[in-house]
Amino acid sequence: KAGVTQTPRYLIKTRGQQVTLSCSPISGHRSVSWYQQTPGQGLQFLFEYFSETQRNKGNFPGRFSGRQFSNSRSEMNVSTLELGDSALYLCASSGTSGSLYEQYFGPGTRLTVT
Amino acid sequence: DAKTTQPTSMDCAEGRAANLPCNHSTISGNEYVYWYRQIHSQGPQYIIHGLKNNETNEMASLIITEDRKSSTLILPHATLRDTAVYYCIVRVRDSGYALNFGKGTSLLVTP
Repeated sequence: KAGVTQTPRYLIKTRGQQVTLSCSPISGHRSVSWYQQTPGQGLQFLFEYFSETQRNKGNFPGRFSGRQFSNSRSEMNVSTLELGDSALYLCASSGTSGSLYEQYFGPGTRLTVT
Repeated sequence: DAKTTQPTSMDCAEGRAANLPCNHSTISGNEYVYWYRQIHSQGPQYIIHGLKNNETNEMASLIITEDRKSSTLILPHATLRDTAVYYCIVRVRDSGYALNFGKGTSLLVTP
């Protein structure tokens, strides 16, 4: 079974630009969560989508948004990029049977804002 | 979710058992203990979880004290590939998928 995939793996953007990251969950998984990881703040929860609806949201500004499509693939968007948005963005998916409550993470997208 | 306390770092010799402690003294009766690990530059990996009984799988064992205020993750025969940051997370199982990772324990396995 293929794992969680994230594209692109690396990205360099300039302050003020916007960016869209993509996540494809494990086949059959309906929940997708997003996390931001920085050296200073560690792993922080951004938001979770289930069946195209945002179910949980972390404490991030409105510049961070996401969506989920009917095939469970998810995208997250960051508008008006700031230097502090440089981070590893991780996506995780969860299934509906067996390991229902365990999350499986992708390799992440490394975003650098200059 | 209950707060957890883990040592910042630990060392372990290759081939020996690595015992990683976690304190969760404010855990509630319906909260589970989960362990994840993150190898450098990779996404976190689920290891094991438990409620009150000890659990074992192909990766590790989880020992939870009788009062549930602390637990220990045991890697029975640590290898160099087990060098990672290990996160102990306490949460209600059906509370959604937002995980509070905390700082974790950086485990260094040495030859």
